[in-house]
Parts: sequence; C-alpha cells; structure tokens
Amino acid sequence: QKEVEQNSGPLSVPEGAIASLNCTYSDRGSQSFFWYRQYSGKSPELIMSIYSNGDKEDGRFTAQLNKASQYVSLLIRDSQPSDSATYLCAVNRGYGGSQGNLIFGKGTKLSVKP
Amino acid sequence: DTEVTQTPKHLVMGMTNKKSLKCEQHMGHRAMYWYKQKAKKPPELMFVYSYEKLSINESVPSRFSPECPNSSLLNLHLHALQPEDSALYLCASSQRTGDEQYFGPGTRLTVT
Repeated sequence: QKEVEQNSGPLSVPEGAIASLNCTYSDRGSQSFFWYRQYSGKSPELIMSIYSNGDKEDGRFTAQLNKASQYVSLLIRDSQPSDSATYLCAVNRGYGGSQGNLIFGKGTKLSVKP
Repeated sequence: DTEVTQTPKHLVMGMTNKKSLKCEQHMGHRAMYWYKQKAKKPPELMFVYSYEKLSINESVPSRFSPECPNSSLLNLHLHALQPEDSALYLCASSQRTGDEQYFGPGTRLTVT
C-alpha cells in the first residue's frame, strides 16, 4: 500500500461549484497534514495545514481530518478558474528520526471550467 | 513574510561540471530541506537540516552534496551528474521539523 494516496484526476468542476479532493494515508502514527497547490512549472504553495481531527476553514478552503479513518480532504467552495492546478496532499510522520520527512501523494489535477 | 529564495532559476550543466544551487530564507526557520521533483511526479525528499545539522539523508547519491553554512543558507553542490538527474530542485524551510514547510521557486536543472 502506498503511503499517501490521492485520485490523480483530472477532476473537472464548473465555476462556482465545490471541488472535493481526497487523500488517504497508511501510517497511523502520522501527526501533521498539509495541502499544497502547484501550478504547472511552479513550486508547491502551502494552502492548508491540519493537525487535529475535525474541520479547519480558511476562506474558500476547508480541510477535514479523520485520523481513525486515516483520511484527509480539501474542499474548495466557489471554485474559480484560477484554482485549476495540481493539489498535493502531504503527510508528516512527525516522530523520531522521521520528523521532517514529508511524504507527498501523487497529486490530483483540478480543472475548473468557466 | 514566507519567502524562500533560490538561485539560479535555471541551470544547464555537463556531466563533468561542478555547480552549486543556493537557497536562502530570512524567516528564522531552523529546518531546511532539499527536494527533487521530476515532471508530473510529486516532490521527493533528498536532505533535511535541523539546526544546521544534517538530520535526514534519503539515500541520495554522493554526487549530490548538501551544505548548511548558517541558519539562513542552504547549498547543494553538484558534481558528475547524470542526464537522469535533470529535474526541478526545490528548497523548503520550516520553523522546526514537522512544521509547515514553505517552498522556494526552485532551480530547473538540465544535465547534458
């Protein structure tokens, strides 16, 4: 089983809709979870971090974490064409010698159609 | 300010060349990272420095040699690279290991 799994997409949503991106991870000891957005040819940009179970909202973005199910999600409300990018889920084991070892999923490509 | 800078933006080098990539942050972060990213793949961790000491080396070939001269600077020295080493090299930093990581714009390296 891969450590961090995401649907590769592409996920296509119309402008103004909610985009839902999902991620599962295999290491039950993982402590911190991140979503990065990466435009083609650019570097990853941090958009959300979440450390405890539940929801965390920041503007149009909501991250959800369920450690029992080993599941992280990102909701983008009122999707805009400028949200079209690859979204990377990243998980940090966060303990012992592995702290700092950020494991990325393969990314989900999101396309928002005007 | 969450800015990490990297130089150069682009680098073309031959297999016998020696070159260095540079990364700088002024956020007071004590952890810095090097990643390698190939096209359509996620970033892969290469090295982690924590408080200027190498804490993680992900079995990277010795032709890549990291250096952390001080808490703000991170270098990656390159020697005798192979064409398959062509990739986007990303530097990142965080307050401490395990915290949110902020990436620089990357250096696009081509080995000919």
